[in-house]
Amino acid sequence: GENVEQHPSTLSVQEGDSAVIKCTYSDSASNYFPWYKQELGKGPQLIIDIRSNVGEKKDQRIAVTLNKTAKHFSLHITETQPEDSAVYFCAASNNQGGKLIFGQGTELSVKP
Amino acid sequence: AAGVIQSPRHLIKEKRETATLKCYPIPRHDTVYWYQQGPGQDPQFLISFYEKMQSDKGSIPDRFSAQQFSDYHSELNMSSLELGDSALYFCASSLAGQGSNTGELFFGEGSRLTVL
Repeated sequence: GENVEQHPSTLSVQEGDSAVIKCTYSDSASNYFPWYKQELGKGPQLIIDIRSNVGEKKDQRIAVTLNKTAKHFSLHITETQPEDSAVYFCAASNNQGGKLIFGQGTELSVKP
Repeated sequence: AAGVIQSPRHLIKEKRETATLKCYPIPRHDTVYWYQQGPGQDPQFLISFYEKMQSDKGSIPDRFSAQQFSDYHSELNMSSLELGDSALYFCASSLAGQGSNTGELFFGEGSRLTVL
């Protein structure tokens, strides 16, 4: 089955700096790669996603890149703000059932 | 916009008791997923339903069962509860895409189960 590895497990940046979180996946059949932000005691919130027919996608301060050959994808947050502090999860799925397999999560801390 | 509704938000049970969690998907969504998230862990897939039929099964214990009803809401039934079942349980819903597209999953706020 699919296995998703996520790094780093914790990331601390200064406000205004950029943050990058990286994930690798094992199943070449995976074709959908969402990123979720989870605040304490809340459910994961979808912030951006990318499908395998696209190499890059951007939404304001957030961008995601996908390298299908290397089986890795990354989340880039620019001009970080304290409210970006949360746990971020990458995930992968394929067409069969749509279930998501999550990475281990990255705890991002943005210091004012 | 309407989101995924889960109830109860908090539940405290004793060992060996039973618990039932409910999930109401986003209107018109036809697929429901259940996930279990332990402290400091990533969400682990338990089971999913599409159009009221089980569509996939993950690491769900035999003590747990689930179903999706005609109004698309779903219930997760947990019996013979163990201390290790203490976790956040999330429900997510999606609209199965046409063709080969994967629908986006939207999560509820979760039900926190504490087993004493």
